[in-house]
Amino acid sequence: GAVVSQHPSRVICKSGTSVKIECRSLDFQATTMFWYRQFPKQSLMLMATSNEGSKATYEQGVEKDKFLINHASLTLSTLTVTSAHPEDSSFYICSGGAGWYQETQYFGPGTRLLVL
Amino acid sequence: DAKTTQPTSMDCAEGRAANLPCNHSTISGNEYVYWYRQIHSQGPQYIIHGLKNNETNEMASLIITEDRKSSTLILPHATLRDTAVYYCIAPYNQGGKLIFGQGTELSVKP
Repeated sequence: GAVVSQHPSRVICKSGTSVKIECRSLDFQATTMFWYRQFPKQSLMLMATSNEGSKATYEQGVEKDKFLINHASLTLSTLTVTSAHPEDSSFYICSGGAGWYQETQYFGPGTRLLVL
Repeated sequence: DAKTTQPTSMDCAEGRAANLPCNHSTISGNEYVYWYRQIHSQGPQYIIHGLKNNETNEMASLIITEDRKSSTLILPHATLRDTAVYYCIAPYNQGGKLIFGQGTELSVKP
């Protein structure tokens, strides 16, 4: 299957700082990527849709000014958690679509964020 | 909200077949069923998908009932490495926007 990478795999930061997470499709191009968040013992929750060359669309309840998304190329989307607080500590996962109609989503390995 | 129902957890003996059911009674005729799994602290891994016919690949088999209201994922010879949470996603939203339910936590035991 297609490969998606994320960087960093884990990050620890102080409260109030900003953290950038990169999501790359290594062997395919993705006009759309998705960002999910997962808290311990819970399922994945879709945060936003990252659109290459245009603004991201956010799910209800997700603050667009706090979670900045940039999709500058067909292989890279970034999620920046601004002014991070302890409640933002979570596992962040991205996905991109590959295949004939970019239907099948392939997921990155995830980034674990811990805000102290 | 997810539109699928799966058992919360299941156990399976190593080497035996693991049969994971999913109810997706609201699916319509042209909507796919996809299965992913998530091993602890990793991103979800694509397993298989289907529309009407049964499907098989190197990882698993997917059996979809004739009325398409339910499906079963079959891992023919489960190993300890198959221990994971298995997610059935139906309908699979065109464009890739996935809504995950709680999934089934499969424990493969020696």
